[in-house]
Amino acid sequence: DAKTTQPNSMESNEEEPVHLPCNHSTISGTDYIHWYRQLPSQGPEYVIHGLTSNVNNRMASLAIAEDRKSSTLILHRATLRDAAVYYCILRRSDYKLSFGAGTTVTVRA
Amino acid sequence: DAGVIQSPRHEVTEMGQEVTLRCKPISGHNSLFWYRQTMMRGLELLIYFNNNVPIDDSGMPEDRFSAKMPNASFSTLKIQPSEPRDSAVYFCASSFAGGPGETQYFGPGTRLLVL
Repeated sequence: DAKTTQPNSMESNEEEPVHLPCNHSTISGTDYIHWYRQLPSQGPEYVIHGLTSNVNNRMASLAIAEDRKSSTLILHRATLRDAAVYYCILRRSDYKLSFGAGTTVTVRA
Repeated sequence: DAGVIQSPRHEVTEMGQEVTLRCKPISGHNSLFWYRQTMMRGLELLIYFNNNVPIDDSGMPEDRFSAKMPNASFSTLKIQPSEPRDSAVYFCASSFAGGPGETQYFGPGTRLLVL
């Protein structure tokens, strides 16, 4: 699987945007970029995914660089419930989700 | 939607005992996954079923672990005999299909402690 690199941790204030970077310089043309998050004591939860174009949903936005070697997950207004570990995952033409260490997001009230 | 259902939510057992973890995937999903999460190794895929058939069991640690999916609405992960190093959180996930664009939906997990 292609490797992703994320910062270990990030802090944000409540109601402010959070930008979570992910580097994936060895991405191939068929790799989808997926983001999952894991709240404390819960199972991972799907956030968003994309292939080439930027994507928006009710939870977040995904901005994908033109060369696809990096992407950014954007939480537009962080709440305390957004405190979690966020995983950036590349998925090739199969079923596997390979979770790395992720970014631990802390939200300050 | 009920989501993925796992039971039990917590299990404490003694070394050598048999442990059975259960999973009910989301109705209509034809792919099922078992994962294990530990502090040391993070989240690891143990086994993947598609249409009730095991497709990839390369992540199963050893012969003490076995998984079955007798029908589309039920799967079990069995550890026999259990060992302290099996202590972890075990997650079951399901998806509509196994493709790279498909979302996997995770259950709440079973926290296993082997003494």
